[in-house]
Amino acid sequence: NAGVTQTPKFQVLKTGQSMTLQCAQDMNHEYMSWYRQDPGMGLRLIHYSVGAGITDQGEVPNGYNVSRSTTEDFPLRLLSAAPSQTSVYFCASSYSRVAGEQFFGPGTRLTVL
Amino acid sequence: DAKTTQPNSMESNEEEPVHLPCNHSTISGTDYIHWYRQLPSQGPEYVIHGLTSNVNNRMASLAIAEDRKSSTLILHRATLRDAAVYYCRSGNNDMRFGAGTRLTVKP
Repeated sequence: NAGVTQTPKFQVLKTGQSMTLQCAQDMNHEYMSWYRQDPGMGLRLIHYSVGAGITDQGEVPNGYNVSRSTTEDFPLRLLSAAPSQTSVYFCASSYSRVAGEQFFGPGTRLTVL
Repeated sequence: DAKTTQPNSMESNEEEPVHLPCNHSTISGTDYIHWYRQLPSQGPEYVIHGLTSNVNNRMASLAIAEDRKSSTLILHRATLRDAAVYYCRSGNNDMRFGAGTRLTVKP
């Protein structure tokens, strides 16, 4: 199993550009989530999904969209990038929201100029 | 959703045990307690979780208070590779992380 994969690993955007961060898992997990981590800070939940076709907002959803058309994929879209979105983005998945262990991807380091 | 409080930082000497505390005073009866850690420049990784009984695995032990309002992650012999931020989380519907405890291990 590849686990949770994220692409790209690094990305530089200009203010106003849009892009999609990709996340995929091959563990047939129902639960997937996106977090951002600013330098020296903790993780903040952006959006999450409890299954294909179902998504919900986390702590800091503004400026981001998600969709979950398949169990495997959970892309995160930046609609109009801003310097405040410079961060490291982590995707995670788990088989259970209650007792399950979350598996994290390696992260995408995004810089918005 | 349950909230957790942890000390901002702790220090340990190499090869000594480390006890990392977490308070989760608003935990409900069915909430699991999870611990994760984040090594420098890496994503978080799962350490251990439990409900009521103490738990052991190859990485650590989890001691849960009888009233479940607090728990302690125990690293039996800290190594330099255990230096990380340790996050405690409780609440079955809460996928958020708090600030965690930054553990420094001194040689």
